[in-house]
Amino acid sequence: GAGVSQTPSNKVTEKGKYVELRCDPISGHTALYWYRQSLGQGPEFLIYFQGTGAADDSGLPNDRFFAVRPEGSVSTLKIQRTERGDSAVYLCASSLNGGTGELFFGEGSRLTVL
Amino acid sequence: QKEVEQDPGPLSVPEGAIVSLNCTYSNSAFQYFMWYRQYSRKGPELLMYTYSSGNKEDGRFTAQVDKSSKYISLFIRDSQPSDSATYLCAMSGTNSKLTFGKGITLSVRP
Repeated sequence: GAGVSQTPSNKVTEKGKYVELRCDPISGHTALYWYRQSLGQGPEFLIYFQGTGAADDSGLPNDRFFAVRPEGSVSTLKIQRTERGDSAVYLCASSLNGGTGELFFGEGSRLTVL
Repeated sequence: QKEVEQDPGPLSVPEGAIVSLNCTYSNSAFQYFMWYRQYSRKGPELLMYTYSSGNKEDGRFTAQVDKSSKYISLFIRDSQPSDSATYLCAMSGTNSKLTFGKGITLSVRP
């Protein structure tokens, strides 16, 4: 595709449930990032992949959050035992080589935990 | 104190006005400075990208960085209703991790 694709665009779930959010980066981009944006706030860094490996996961808030990128392309963000405070827009971005290059963002997955 | 502070909004201006948006930061390691524009229910898109101190101009947009004061600005000349969006400053050191400001919502009235 031409841009970063994220699915689902909206997800409503109940407290305690498990959620998976998917990101398909721009073809050929080796770096992939997940950010979380709460209402009225700027995006906050969660995790950065270079290829298949997580180069920096320092932004993951706790062990309920986990992300994978098994083949170096599509990534899945997994949230276990969701809490109401997890409600936010989860943004995925990719860049050609990582480093300080331009990030291209998807439209986000809006998660609502009831 | 947050690493990046952005002037609170919202901001409403008439069409044609000059808009000034500002951010301050505390981390001396930041070297790369960006402005992103985000329309409602869309992802952020890169507007301006600068390295270290100085000015950069692109059409109606000018980005300024003053590392000595830890202060960055975005100026929009001849503002248009289509400029109505949320503007986010962002910055990074030598790694890829961007730190964003809170964002300011701009409304340009026709």
